[in-house]
Amino acid sequence: QSALTQPRSVSGSPGQSVTISCIGTSSDVGAYNYVSWYQHHPGKAPRLMIYDVGRRPSGVPDRFSGSKSGNTASLTISGLQAEDEAHYYCCSYAANYVFGTGTKVTVL
Amino acid sequence: EVQLLDSGGGLVQPGGSLRLSCAASGFTFSSYAMSWVRQAPGKGLEWVSAISGSGGSTFYADSVRGRFTISRDNSENTLHLQMNSLRADDTAVYYCAKEVRELAFDHWGQGTPVTVSS
Repeated sequence: QSALTQPRSVSGSPGQSVTISCIGTSSDVGAYNYVSWYQHHPGKAPRLMIYDVGRRPSGVPDRFSGSKSGNTASLTISGLQAEDEAHYYCCSYAANYVFGTGTKVTVL
Repeated sequence: EVQLLDSGGGLVQPGGSLRLSCAASGFTFSSYAMSWVRQAPGKGLEWVSAISGSGGSTFYADSVRGRFTISRDNSENTLHLQMNSLRADDTAVYYCAKEVRELAFDHWGQGTPVTVSS
């Protein structure tokens, strides 16, 4: 199973919005609504930010939102803050789990 | 509070073996499937293996099938990953992760580093 495709990096100024795409296939992202997103700061454990395409676990700010259209899922961070600077990974379930290639979010 | 404590990583020669462990607390361990996820240096996250709550079903990525074995001891609230025939491309930080019914990972260990090198 090939990794899902994400942009290598995105950036924005504080207060702006950024969107990260996650391109899969009709066998993974397009087949199920089991898309999740993880925030990963270097040296720390990954943190679940979104599950079931667009649901937020308790404690995750509502600045984070997820959506899906066809074989592409997206994570949007609205009102970007300095602490949002991290790597972000999408993940889809398709018989087994497949992660995205990862996106570095930089807050300018 | 859910806690996952990974351990067992280290330096091993190519062809060698290593056993990772993950001590779980703060939830009913036997009720949840668990996975191992790894991150090689400079690379992204890669799912490695999963096991059902009872331990009766196991799943592996193609890259490790036949070399790695996942297991769990529900009486000790511990997850294991036995890694045999290790290769240089197995070098990574290995995380254990708790799965939820919505097929996502809601809690992760802090990671244990594995280096395969002569």
